[in-house]
Amino acid sequence: GQQLNQSPQSMFIQEGEDVSMNCTSSSIFNTWLWYKQDPGEGPVLLIALYKAGELTSNGRLTAQFGITRKDSFLNISASIPSDVGIYFCAGRDESGGSNYKLTFGKGTLLTVNP
Amino acid sequence: DAGVTQSPTHLIKTRGQHVTLRCSPISGHKSVSWYQQVLGQGPQFIFQYYEKEERGRGNFPDRFSARQFPNYSSELNVNALLLGDSALYLCASSLTGGLTEAFFGQGTRLTVV
Repeated sequence: GQQLNQSPQSMFIQEGEDVSMNCTSSSIFNTWLWYKQDPGEGPVLLIALYKAGELTSNGRLTAQFGITRKDSFLNISASIPSDVGIYFCAGRDESGGSNYKLTFGKGTLLTVNP
Repeated sequence: DAGVTQSPTHLIKTRGQHVTLRCSPISGHKSVSWYQQVLGQGPQFIFQYYEKEERGRGNFPDRFSARQFPNYSSELNVNALLLGDSALYLCASSLTGGLTEAFFGQGTRLTVV
């Protein structure tokens, strides 16, 4: 099935460092979402973006909806050990009656060294 | 408030068998979606139901079917299980399923041997 291109695949950082990850698509999305998944759990919604160019923050997390509507970025500032997990981007295309499904990236595995 | 609940949490089945997975959405949510997440990959869309009607179907074979009940809970059925069906099956609920955001359950880990 279709998936978004998410990078990097994994990151190993020191506590306190900032983190950036991004997601690109060959097609346009109307909504971009960022989820975090811990082992054995379902994805938890972190940030939702609804407009091209939109920049939204949730605590230490900041995400942006790319101007082209084909990409999105997630930044985490001053990382802490509980940031460990897999981060997924997801896009929703609301044209042509397909607004019911999310298309996910393959995820970025984040490891934070205390 | 209870979140999305899925049962069972883990399941082991033999090739060729049938499986039924269950999901109860967040109270007040009328839409349920099902996703398959293979190890190392992001979730892949299987179905969405809203008000007991199927609104969308992903690229999965007819062995996969689902339904939604009047209380908005849902079942995912998979027939003639294959080894490749081993995955985490996630249920997500949303208010209307359209432009309202989805909240995921913890998933059912299905292993086919």
